[in-house]
Amino acid sequence: QKEVEQNSGPLSVPEGAIASLNCTYSDRGSQSFFWYRQYSGKSPELIMSIYSNGDKEDGRFTAQLNKASQYVSLLIRDSQPSDSATYLCAVNLINTGGFKTIFGAGTRLFVKA
Amino acid sequence: DAMVIQNPRYQVTQFGKPVTLSCSQTLNHNVMYWYQQKSSQAPKLLFHYYDKDFNNEADTPDNFQSRRPNTSFCFLDIRSPGLGDAAMYLCATSRGTEGGYTFGSGTRLTVV
Repeated sequence: QKEVEQNSGPLSVPEGAIASLNCTYSDRGSQSFFWYRQYSGKSPELIMSIYSNGDKEDGRFTAQLNKASQYVSLLIRDSQPSDSATYLCAVNLINTGGFKTIFGAGTRLFVKA
Repeated sequence: DAMVIQNPRYQVTQFGKPVTLSCSQTLNHNVMYWYQQKSSQAPKLLFHYYDKDFNNEADTPDNFQSRRPNTSFCFLDIRSPGLGDAAMYLCATSRGTEGGYTFGSGTRLTVV
């Protein structure tokens, strides 16, 4: 089992719809969770971070964390063509060996105009 | 603006010819990372510096080395690039271990 799993997509949604991106992780010791957006040929850009169970909203983005079920999701409301990108889920794990951030391979999102 | 700068954006090197990629930051972050990312794959951590402490990932090939001469700069040296080392190399920084990363624009390495 991969440490951080995402559906590779592509996920296709019409403009104005809600895009829902999901991520599961394997290590229950994971403590910090992040979503990055990566446009084709560019580097990742941090868009959301979440540290406790529940929802966190920032503009059109909402991150949801459920540690019991070991999943984190990202909702994008009123999706725009400019949201078309790959979204990477990242999980921070801190243990006696130090800390480590594990990235998922990403979900490609395509927003149709 | 505070940022993470990688040079060059594109690097072409010959098979077996040493190459150095550079990263600088004006964020005063104490942690710096080097990631390798191949097409449609997750970024793979090569190593990181927590302040001056160097941390190598167990599966990072010996062919990859790194230097951090001061807080602001970090270098990735590939001693003998192979065709399989062609990838995007991403430098990132963070303040401590709790927050997210700020990435540089990346260096796309081509090996011919």
